[in-house]
Amino acid sequence: AQTVTQSQPEMSVQEAETVTLSCTYDTSESDYYLFWYKQPPSRQMILVIRQEAYKQQNATENRFSVNFQKAAKSFSLKISDSQLGDAAMYFCAYRSGWRNSGGSNYKLTFGKGTLLTVNP
Amino acid sequence: NAGVTQTPKFQVLKTGQSMTLQCAQDMNHEYMSWYRQDPGMGLRLIHYSVGAGITDQGEVPNGYNVSRSTTEDFPLRLLSAAPSQTSVYFCASSPTVRQGPSYEQYFGPGTRLTVT
Repeated sequence: AQTVTQSQPEMSVQEAETVTLSCTYDTSESDYYLFWYKQPPSRQMILVIRQEAYKQQNATENRFSVNFQKAAKSFSLKISDSQLGDAAMYFCAYRSGWRNSGGSNYKLTFGKGTLLTVNP
Repeated sequence: NAGVTQTPKFQVLKTGQSMTLQCAQDMNHEYMSWYRQDPGMGLRLIHYSVGAGITDQGEVPNGYNVSRSTTEDFPLRLLSAAPSQTSVYFCASSPTVRQGPSYEQYFGPGTRLTVT
C-alpha cells in the first residue's frame, strides 16, 4: 500500500516571501500521479498542482511550483510571493497511474496535511 | 453545472441513530467516492464506486454502507451512529479512464457530522 508523509504539521511565512512544504511518499509503482490540494477555512478542497511521475519536468502553476525527486520519493511544494489568501491547510496526495489495474486506480491517498499561516 | 453537491452541510446525531449523507454530481462522472477527514489524519477513503451498481470498500468502511443506483448519486449511510464517526465527510467524483483523460477529483463542500 502507498503512504504519504507530510512532516511539517504547521508552517508560517511572511507575506511576499517564499515557503516550501515537504511531502514524501512510499510506493512500489512506477506509474502514478502526485497532487497538492489546498483547503481554506471554507473547507472546500481545491487542486493546486499535479505531477505525472513519468514527466521529469517539475510542474508549475503561476506562483506554485513543485520539486519532484522521483528516486528520493519526494514531492515538495514551493509557494512564491506568498499572499494572505494562501493561508490554508495543504494536503499532498498520491494516485496510481492508469497502467495499474483495478478500480482503486482513482483512489487518492492523502498525507496528514500542513497548516500554512501567512503573516502580514 | 453545480459540480458535486452534498446535503446536509451540518448534522448532529445521537448514538445509535441512522442517517444518509447525500451526494450528487452533474458531470456524468463514473467514479465517485466518500472520504472522512479527522484532525491530524488527513482524508481517508471510506467507499468508492466506478459506476452504477459497482461499489467497493476503501480504507475505513466499517459502520458505513453505500449503493450506486444511478451515475449521478452516491449516498453514504450510517447504520448506527457512534461518537467515533464524528467527522467531516467529503464526496468526490472524477471521470474514469474510459471516459477520457482524467486527473482531477472534484470535491463536494463537505458535511460536518457530530455524534453525541
